[in-house]
Amino acid sequence: QTVVTQEPSLTVSPGGTVTLTCASSSGIVTSGYYPNWFQQKPGQAPRPLIYSTNNKHSWTPARFSGSLLGVKAALTLSGVQPEDEAEYYCLLYYNGAGIFGGGTKLTVL
Amino acid sequence: EVQLLESGGGLVQPGGSLRLSCSASGFTFSSYAMSWVRQAPGKGLEWVSAVAGSSTFYADSVKGRFTISRDNSKNTLYLQMNSLRAEDTALYSCAKGPTGSWVGLEYWGQGTLVTVSS
Repeated sequence: QTVVTQEPSLTVSPGGTVTLTCASSSGIVTSGYYPNWFQQKPGQAPRPLIYSTNNKHSWTPARFSGSLLGVKAALTLSGVQPEDEAEYYCLLYYNGAGIFGGGTKLTVL
Repeated sequence: EVQLLESGGGLVQPGGSLRLSCSASGFTFSSYAMSWVRQAPGKGLEWVSAVAGSSTFYADSVKGRFTISRDNSKNTLYLQMNSLRAEDTALYSCAKGPTGSWVGLEYWGQGTLVTVSS
């Protein structure tokens, strides 16, 4: 049973930069896992941010970027805004079947 | 404007069945991969199933119990859920894949709630 792991929580100051990561128990995360990232605020539906490692949706703010970092997928927020406080989920695909990470609660303080 | 509207949720007893529907509009339905995702109350997201072309994919937790299908003439996605368990209780949302990609979740519906309880 493959497990996708994210940091449970991170804290960042407004205007700062933070990197969230997404690891796979099966080994190195590559572009072939088509990493996706989603933002979810309480009571709201998830909002897609990044697909296929580093592609932004039309609504994704420029301060969000996706990449591969070492053996993991990564989501970097540069110039963090108070409204970026939320839960962030990564999604990896294994031969067509997806597995979400447990989520990272990002606090902007 | 892309719109996805789920229906068919409700209260069902353990071991029972339910069929969810997702009515799509605002895009060429037949051209896109479609998925189901669920979220149990207070919990994280769980990918459930997807259909891309003629291929279907399932999470291990639902394999053999759930069946995804689509009717392109009706612009509708389905999820047939059998042998339901308490742990299947969740908000079920359908999602459209991105343009040019067979994986991913670009647009989401608001979801339909499934409660499995006696």
